[in-house]
Amino acid sequence: QKEVEQDPGPLSVPEGAIVSLNCTYSNSAFQYFMWYRQYSRKGPELLMYTYSSGNKEDGRFTAQVDKSSKYISLFIRDSQPSDSATYLCAMSLDTGGFKTIFGAGTRLFVKA
Amino acid sequence: DARVTQTPRHKVTEMGQEVTMRCQPILGHNTVFWYRQTMMQGLELLAYFRNRAPLDDSGMPKDRFSAEMPDATLATLKIQPSEPRDSAVYFCASGLVPGFLQGYGYTFGSGTRLTVV
Repeated sequence: QKEVEQDPGPLSVPEGAIVSLNCTYSNSAFQYFMWYRQYSRKGPELLMYTYSSGNKEDGRFTAQVDKSSKYISLFIRDSQPSDSATYLCAMSLDTGGFKTIFGAGTRLFVKA
Repeated sequence: DARVTQTPRHKVTEMGQEVTMRCQPILGHNTVFWYRQTMMQGLELLAYFRNRAPLDDSGMPKDRFSAEMPDATLATLKIQPSEPRDSAVYFCASGLVPGFLQGYGYTFGSGTRLTVV
């Protein structure tokens, strides 16, 4: 079993829909939780970051962490075709970010 | 915008040949990572350096892979001899520690797409 599980999709939604992306993990020691976005033929870019449990909002994006359930989510409101990308969850044990473990990524398509 | 530069962007080589991938991290970043991405395995950490010193390369096949950082502006990943199973996209990423705690994360390059035939 992988430390971080993420449904690879693909997930296809119409423009304007609310998108929910999720990851589960097995290691309760993870403290730092991140979402990266990766466009085709590009490297991942950091989208959002949270520490421990709770919610964090940034524009149309909301990240949620539920450590009791070992479950993290990324919500995208009013999805746009430009949001079409692969979204990778990632988590780390330590403040240095060493040995960050990535999920496999979920491919998202937002249709105009 | 500061960026991590990787060369070459694409490389096709024959099995058994040596492959060298290069990375120029962002100036001022003290931590450099090498990742490999495949459809089957996703992103796998191969090695990382802090202040140019190798901290962990347990993710690399030691017999054929080597990673070095000869100076602060250059990191290299070498495969010798290359095998078809090495075909993947290799990413370099750099970051600033401390600073990661503030959510800076890593900045990834655009990757080197390696095909070994």
